[in-house]
Formats: sequence, C-alpha cells, structure tokens
Amino acid sequence: EPEVTQTPSHQVTQMGQEVILRCVPISNHLYFYWYRQILGQKVEFLVSFYNNEISEKSEIFDDQFSVERPDGSNFTLKIRSTKLEDSAMYFCASRTGQTQGETQYFGPGTRLLVL
Amino acid sequence: EDKVVQSPLSLVVHEGDTVTLNCSYEVTNFRSLLWYKQEKKAPTFLFMLTSSGIEKKSGRLSSILDKKELFSILNITATQTGDSAVYLCAVAGTASKLTFGTGTRLQVTL
Repeated sequence: EPEVTQTPSHQVTQMGQEVILRCVPISNHLYFYWYRQILGQKVEFLVSFYNNEISEKSEIFDDQFSVERPDGSNFTLKIRSTKLEDSAMYFCASRTGQTQGETQYFGPGTRLLVL
Repeated sequence: EDKVVQSPLSLVVHEGDTVTLNCSYEVTNFRSLLWYKQEKKAPTFLFMLTSSGIEKKSGRLSSILDKKELFSILNITATQTGDSAVYLCAVAGTASKLTFGTGTRLQVTL
C-alpha cells in the first residue's frame, strides 16, 4: 500500500541553523501539507501546497519557513534560522484532490530538536 | 477561527469494555470530519465522515456525525490492549486544511 515517507526521522540542530525536512507524498496525490506537533500539544496546520504554489498558510508559517517541490516526487519544508520553539514533530500529509475534504494521509514524521 | 474539542482527555478501561469518544467542532466551510489513531508517531486514518446520520464501521470501531449539532462520536466495542492510543478528531475546512482536537488518550488494561 502506498505511503507517505519522510526523512530524516530525527534531526538535531543548533539554534540559528537551517534545516530541510523532506517528504515523498503518495505518487498520484496532488495536494500536500505540513503540520507540526509540539510535544504534548495538538497537531497544528502549517501550510498547504497545490499546483506548485502555497494554497494556504497558518500564522506559524512565517518568513522563516518555505516549502518547495523541487522535482516530481519530493516535497520539502525549510526552516531558515531555527529557534528553540521550532522543536516539534513535523508531519507531511497528502491527498489525491479528487474531491474536497477527502482523507489526508500522514507520513511518519521528523522529530526536530533545536538546541 | 476553527475549533475542535474532544472529550474526555483521557480514559482508562478494561479489556472488553466499550468506549465512546466525543468530538465537537466549529468550522467555517465544513467539508468533512476525520478520525485518526496516533500510537507512536504518525496519525493513521480511521474514518472520514461527510454526511449526518450515516454510521461508518470498521470491525469493532464505528463513528457517526451530527452536522446539525456539530459533533461526532467514535465507538470502540470489545476493546483490546492494541486499541491503546491517542484518538484524534480533525475537521477539514477551507482549503481542506485539517484542524485537530487535542485528542483522547485511551489506555486499555488487562
């Protein structure tokens, strides 16, 4: 069964460093998402992406964040200058886009720790 | 602002018990309500509900949506220790982004 995959599974970085989190969505999916979950808190929406552009972004997704689909398979989240409060689990999700509101399938996540 | 509230926050039951998890929501441009199970990492999909009153069922799990009263329930019958997890309710609204509740932590003991 097709799955969303994410790399790396864990990333430790120093405050101020740039990180790139990578996702490979399910192959026939057209809509892509990033969410994050700070330890002990709820899953929060960051950004949605369709047709090579951002469709919607949350207040969390400020100028330090960017997303890209550099080729036909990868979908990346870049944090330019990490802060301590960026420490969280980051989930990528995708859906086909055949109908509105349909199921989003989540990847296993990347746990980011900023020291 | 879209909002999803789940109750109870946590629940401990004995194997074999039946549990009911609750989810209420306020969302503009409602498209669907989804239930996910989160064990260690990624939320794994359980159900998607779009229409009121139609029960979705998968084995011992079932769920129903009430769009008039803006809530959903997830039932698990004959619980097993493998059902121990956090159950997440999410609502798809504008641009189909998901707004999640805080989840219900279910622990099933022997």
